[in-house]
Amino acid sequence: SAVISQKPSRDICQRGTSLTIQCQVDSQVTMMFWYRQQPGQSLTLIATANQGSEATYESGFVIDKFPISRPNLTFSTLTVSNMSPEDSSIYLCSAGTGVDTGELFFGEGSRLTVL
Amino acid sequence: QKEVEQNSGPLSVPEGAIASLNCTYSDRGSQSFFWYRQYSGKSPELIMSIYSNGDKEDGRFTAQLNKASQYVSLLIRDSQPSDSATYLCAVIGSNTGKLIFGQGTTLQVKP
Repeated sequence: SAVISQKPSRDICQRGTSLTIQCQVDSQVTMMFWYRQQPGQSLTLIATANQGSEATYESGFVIDKFPISRPNLTFSTLTVSNMSPEDSSIYLCSAGTGVDTGELFFGEGSRLTVL
Repeated sequence: QKEVEQNSGPLSVPEGAIASLNCTYSDRGSQSFFWYRQYSGKSPELIMSIYSNGDKEDGRFTAQLNKASQYVSLLIRDSQPSDSATYLCAVIGSNTGKLIFGQGTTLQVKP
């Protein structure tokens, strides 16, 4: 198993600003992902955080808007850039320790509200 | 057509009853299926995985898979109020290898 810590847990941001969310895992993991969960909705995969290289983004998400870093096997950051109210959401870091990409552990999430 | 579909509910069952949660998926090539539970205000946690047709039991939980019908279900026996949560069905896409979530079914177990 893996314990994932995210911070901030919540924040209120002004339109046009950027915010970086940090994700720390208590053990080395093979996979790290960032998801978004909008109110009342399911989880949407933003990108796969690749250790030491550029993240792999899903359709509809771009690096300029959501730059991601993963400098090592236990840490990743997601930045939400030039925020608008539409970016108000819960952002979740997740990690997998095995080969099966379906068995994931999730952080507690970062709830962002953009005014 | 959504890739993973669930009835959003809420599904309300009395304490002690069997709760049946259903999910259909569109990718016929998918081979791996998961159920996650998400309590209100909390993050999802994995409760079951299933890869082969048939039933898989773990305590009060039974996952059922029918690949021909592209159907996955989760049965919760002897439902407890503590089972009240949103249950997310998730499938690994055969082309992407990524986990795709349904919108979730909210279960309410009434004492």
